[in-house]
Amino acid sequence: AQSVSQHNHHVILSEAASLELGCNYSYGGTVNLFWYVQYPGQHLQLLLKYFSGDPLVKGIKGFEAEFIKSKFSFNLRKPSVQWSDTAEYFCAVTEGLNTGFQKLVFGTGTRLLVSP
Amino acid sequence: EAGVTQFPSHSVIEKGQTVTLRCDPISGHDNLYWYRRVMGKEIKFLLHFVKESKQDESGMPNNRFLAERTGGTYSTLKVQPAELEDSGVYFCASSQVGATGSPLHFGNGTRLTVT
Repeated sequence: AQSVSQHNHHVILSEAASLELGCNYSYGGTVNLFWYVQYPGQHLQLLLKYFSGDPLVKGIKGFEAEFIKSKFSFNLRKPSVQWSDTAEYFCAVTEGLNTGFQKLVFGTGTRLLVSP
Repeated sequence: EAGVTQFPSHSVIEKGQTVTLRCDPISGHDNLYWYRRVMGKEIKFLLHFVKESKQDESGMPNNRFLAERTGGTYSTLKVQPAELEDSGVYFCASSQVGATGSPLHFGNGTRLTVT
């Protein structure tokens, strides 16, 4: 079965530090990749997604992620974090070409705390 | 546009009792999904409706869980009887059918605690 690994469960950074959150998935076929974020007290929101094309994907709030097929990875990056980025981040995957059907497989999440 | 609404936001029940969770998707969204996150674990897919039809219920843990979506609008997820391991956060999400790349819109979740 498809699985997603997020190796960092808790990350603590100071404002202006750079961020990279790891995400690896297990499926060898065509995949669609997502990063979701949940700010405290809010619902899960889509940060960015990759379906095809340029493997470097830019999302909202200055986040980007790079799809490296050979490494089965889709790491999330931000060059300079802000206190408002404090949240839990989830990597997720769906299989196949039908991007209209999104049965997501999630990682366990990474809690990011940014200190001012 | 109103988002996905879930009710209640929290529920505390005793083992053996029944609980019903409700989800109101975004108007016009025919896809409706239920997910669950047990504490410390990943968010897991439970089932998927397209309108009132169950498209995929492969993630439902056992027959104590019953999901319905009468009329293709709101959905309910009933747990009867509840067990301790049912505790967690239950998320509902909706999206448009047929729109390529249509993102899922999640609700705030219902936190269920079974004591």
